[in-house]
Amino acid sequence: GAGVSQTPSNKVTEKGKYVELRCDPISGHTALYWYRQSLGQGPEFLIYFQGTGAADDSGLPNDRFFAVRPEGSVSTLKIQRTERGDSAVYLCASSANPTGSQYFGPGTRLLVL
Amino acid sequence: GIQVEQSPPDLILQEGANSTLRCNFSDSVNNLQWFHQNPWGQLINLFYIPSGTKQNGRLSATTVATERYSLLYISSSQTTDSGVYFCAAPRHSGGGADGLTFGKGTHLIIQP
Repeated sequence: GAGVSQTPSNKVTEKGKYVELRCDPISGHTALYWYRQSLGQGPEFLIYFQGTGAADDSGLPNDRFFAVRPEGSVSTLKIQRTERGDSAVYLCASSANPTGSQYFGPGTRLLVL
Repeated sequence: GIQVEQSPPDLILQEGANSTLRCNFSDSVNNLQWFHQNPWGQLINLFYIPSGTKQNGRLSATTVATERYSLLYISSSQTTDSGVYFCAAPRHSGGGADGLTFGKGTHLIIQP
């Protein structure tokens, strides 16, 4: 079956702009995760959804970052007033159950100029 | 939260060689995963292995939960094995749903 998909693949924006990143999890997966990966580092946790609700958003760096999953499937990560330091690869993962194996999408490469 | 450390940070081998990558974690875990990040950035699941030993072709992994470490073995390396290998564990001990915390990875280069 289809894996996790993310759009866009690449996003270039200017400092101060608003961006939305989309994640389509594997069909039937109830748990969805967002991570951020900077060059040369491992992915860092941002937020976790179980169904429609954010079960843990303690990894979001500040209040410019927000994520939703209104119907318990697709999720959108929203970044307001982007800063150059937000440039990174944003990864989405899903799992069939909360403690199960997580499967990652290809990521969105965000560049803030 | 749980800390994950990987070694070695870099490894350069000739095609056909065997290798062992190590992951240490700071507390008991109910989930331990190994990933391969290919040159295009895709994270590929290798093993979900909170304890015991698993094998998949030329790759195998062992987690000794009581001693808080996991090993990934790659035998008869091929150039396509190149990339970064990550180990990941839950952010917190105690079970339950959780995001993952990743080590810094082992950057493996297999030379022809």
